[in-house]
Amino acid sequence: DAKTTQPNSMESNEEEPVHLPCNHSTISGTDYIHWYRQLPSQGPEYVIHGLTSNVNNRMASLAIAEDRKSSTLILHRATLRDAAVYYCILINNAGNMLTFGGGTRLMVKP
Amino acid sequence: NAGVTQTPKFQVLKTGQSMTLQCAQDMNHNSMYWYRQDPGMGLRLIYYSASEGTTDKGEVPNGYNVSRLNKREFSLRLESAAPSQTSVYFCASSEIRGRPLRNTIYFGEGSWLTVV
Repeated sequence: DAKTTQPNSMESNEEEPVHLPCNHSTISGTDYIHWYRQLPSQGPEYVIHGLTSNVNNRMASLAIAEDRKSSTLILHRATLRDAAVYYCILINNAGNMLTFGGGTRLMVKP
Repeated sequence: NAGVTQTPKFQVLKTGQSMTLQCAQDMNHNSMYWYRQDPGMGLRLIYYSASEGTTDKGEVPNGYNVSRLNKREFSLRLESAAPSQTSVYFCASSEIRGRPLRNTIYFGEGSWLTVV
C-alpha cells in the first residue's frame, strides 16, 4: 500500500483558515485520498475523500494536486472543536490492509 | 444506529492474564480491522479481515490472535498480556470492494487496556 507523509503538528488561530498538507508520491491510479480526524479520546471519523478533482463538503475542502502526489485538507474557519489529529490515507478497491501514519496534530488557539 | 460497538471500554489486566476484546458492526460490512494506539502516537494495524472467514496480519500482530466469528463480529485476543500491550484498541469496519465512492471506514469508540 502506498504511504503518506504529513507534518507532525500544526497551529492555527481560531476563525482562520487551515491548510493541512499530505504527500503521497507513490500513489497509484486507483488510490482514493481519504482524510480522517480523531478528536481527543474518540475513534477517528471520516472527513472527506477524493480521487482527482477537488472536493467540498460541510466539514472541509480537499485540494488535490494535478499529479496527485500531494493533497491539502482545508478547514475554512478553524474552531476550537477542530483541534484533533488529522490523518491522510490512501484507499483502493484492491487493498484491504488500511494503515494510518502518525497524522498531523492540529492545535487551535483562541 | 449503533455502527461499530466494542466491549469492554476499560479493562485492567495483570501480566500473563488473557482476555478477548469484542467488536460487532451492524452495517453489513465485509472488512473489519483492529488497531492499537499508544499515547501520543498514530494508529497501528494489528490484524484485519477482508471478509468472513479470512484474517491477515497487519503491522504489529505479535502477541495477538483474532477470530472473524461471522460477518458481524471480529474479536481480538491477548493470550498472555504484557505491559507493552497497554494501549487503546480500536475496531473498525468498512465496505471497500466494489464501492469506491462510499468506502468510508467506521470506528468504534475504543477500548482502554492497562496491563500491570
